Amino acid sequence: QKEVEQNSGPLSVPEGAIASLNCTYSDRGSQSFFWYRQYSGKSPELIMFIYSNGDKEDGRFTAQLNKASQYVSLLIRDSQPSDSATYLCAVPIQGAQKLVFGQGTRLTINP
Amino acid sequence: EAGVVQSPRYKIIEKKQPVAFWCNPISGHNTLYWYRQNLGQGPELLIRYENEEAVDDSQLPKDRFSAERLKGVDSTLKIQPAELGDSAVYLCASSLDRTATYGYTFGSGTRLTVV
Repeated sequence: QKEVEQNSGPLSVPEGAIASLNCTYSDRGSQSFFWYRQYSGKSPELIMFIYSNGDKEDGRFTAQLNKASQYVSLLIRDSQPSDSATYLCAVPIQGAQKLVFGQGTRLTINP
Repeated sequence: EAGVVQSPRYKIIEKKQPVAFWCNPISGHNTLYWYRQNLGQGPELLIRYENEEAVDDSQLPKDRFSAERLKGVDSTLKIQPAELGDSAVYLCASSLDRTATYGYTFGSGTRLTVV
């Protein structure tokens, strides 16, 4: 089992709809979880992090964490064409000293 | 505050040639990371430094890759000799402390093409 797994997509969502991105992880000891956005040809940019079970909202973005199921998700409400990018889930392992990334989900928002 | 600075942005070399990448982390960030990102994949850790000490180089192909972080600030990653499979984006990141509590800040990366 990979340490961090994501559906590579591509995921296509119409403009204005909700985009849902999912990630599972293997290390039960992980305490914090990160979502990075990566535009084509650019480096990853941190957009959300979550530490506690439940939801965390930041503008149009909501991160959801379920530690019992080892599952973290990112919801993007009112999707915009500018949200089209690859979204990377990242989880610290080895006592939080190493950040491991999933392979990323490529999201396309269709006008 | 300047972010993580990397150079060059792009590099094209012939196989078997050497290449070097440079990284200047955010001021005050003691922990520095080099990641490699292949096309369509997430970044993978090559080496992690705490100050000038390499504390995790388990994923660094030591037969051809080397890295240094003299004086605990700037870092250089070298490949010698380069192979076709080394074509990737090499990302440098830094963090304030040794844990990933607040995530990392990445530089713009160096896109390496080996021909």
